[in-house]
Amino acid sequence: DGGITQSPKYLFRKEGQNVTLSCEQNLNHDAMYWYRQDPGQGLRLIYYSQIVNDFQKGDIAEGYSVSREKKESFPLTVTSAQKNPTAFYLCASTKDGTSHYGYTFGSGTRLTVV
Amino acid sequence: GENVEQHPSTLSVQEGDSAVIKCTYSDSASNYFPWYKQELGKGPQLIIDIRSNVGEKKDQRIAVTLNKTAKHFSLHITETQPEDSAVYFCAARIYNQGGKLIFGQGTELSVKP
Repeated sequence: DGGITQSPKYLFRKEGQNVTLSCEQNLNHDAMYWYRQDPGQGLRLIYYSQIVNDFQKGDIAEGYSVSREKKESFPLTVTSAQKNPTAFYLCASTKDGTSHYGYTFGSGTRLTVV
Repeated sequence: GENVEQHPSTLSVQEGDSAVIKCTYSDSASNYFPWYKQELGKGPQLIIDIRSNVGEKKDQRIAVTLNKTAKHFSLHITETQPEDSAVYFCAARIYNQGGKLIFGQGTELSVKP
């Protein structure tokens, strides 16, 4: 079955620590996205990538970094510079960034600072 | 910048009644409008979408309408069932910006049996 897989489902981060969230898709989609979800604030875009080896900042990129070395993978690193990282993180993909296709979302990673 | 406003934030209906959720977008270049359903602890799932050259689209109990002039679009759910209870998000895609979606704040729908 084709889909998008996020891991881990739950992640705990200590103060000052970097953590990396995994996102893998086998849908042959070109475009991938990372969103952050906080209660009552909807989904806010962190980073997106339309093609391998290229990515752009979204609305709340500060304190985060990404890479896109393979079409299937778009990992997100939450760095120690992100002051309030506790949130639900969602990865999504779509066929490409120019057509009218909906996103396929992963099941999310819940990150908690301890 | 681009913005999508969604109302109401919570909605409670009796089973069998209809539910309507409304969204307004700011950028007239928006050309694609999907709706997502999110159950607790899960990722959102696409339930219906509409393109800017269409005024209405229906899929069984779910319909979406689009008014481009007013920059409004709405989700209509008829004959609601308890399993429709979830958080619903509207979104708008801006033309030529990498396919990124701007999401509304979400509506928590509760269907009481």
